[in-house]
Amino acid sequence: GQQLNQSPQSMFIQEGEDVSMNCTSSSIFNTWLWYKQDPGEGPVLLIALYKAGELTSNGRLTAQFGITRKDSFLNISASIPSDVGIYFCAGTGNQFYFGTGTSLTVIP
Amino acid sequence: EPEVTQTPSHQVTQMGQEVILRCVPISNHLYFYWYRQILGQKVEFLVSFYNNEISEKSEIFDDQFSVERPDGSNFTLKIRSTKLEDSAMYFCASVRMNTEAFFGQGTRLTVV
Repeated sequence: GQQLNQSPQSMFIQEGEDVSMNCTSSSIFNTWLWYKQDPGEGPVLLIALYKAGELTSNGRLTAQFGITRKDSFLNISASIPSDVGIYFCAGTGNQFYFGTGTSLTVIP
Repeated sequence: EPEVTQTPSHQVTQMGQEVILRCVPISNHLYFYWYRQILGQKVEFLVSFYNNEISEKSEIFDDQFSVERPDGSNFTLKIRSTKLEDSAMYFCASVRMNTEAFFGQGTRLTVV
């Protein structure tokens, strides 16, 4: 199946910095989902977005559903060491497509 | 959060042996997926399953792989004759289109 493009592929940031990552698709989606994967674990759902233009927060995480319905971004504010992991986006419409992942390293 | 259960959590098998990985998806979901993640690499799509048949599969999903939902509950991935390069984490996803998707904790397959 189609794999969604995420950028950047990896990020190394200082603790306390803000992080921004995005996800693009060639297809239109009705739902965008963001996940976090800790080492050795399965991806865990962080945020779900259901409407174009929607901006949703979950603690220090904020995600937006792009107006074109072909992209989404995730911001993490004031990063902390436990934010380390791989962040994945996913989109659903007629199918479910999963992103390539952004690996985040937070340096204390 | 609804739970997708995968068993076993870790399987070690001899090369050439058959393995069956099991997933219990969420009861009102209709779409099911298998992915694999080789250590340190990205998550790769294997196969999607809807209405008791495969709806899409990747190039990785060759004749050695099969999926079924034998009892309307478990969703299984079978690898007929394992190879060393099949060593990976295998994740099941349970999807309700346009609403939600949840992943299991994964099965770590080690082929020796």
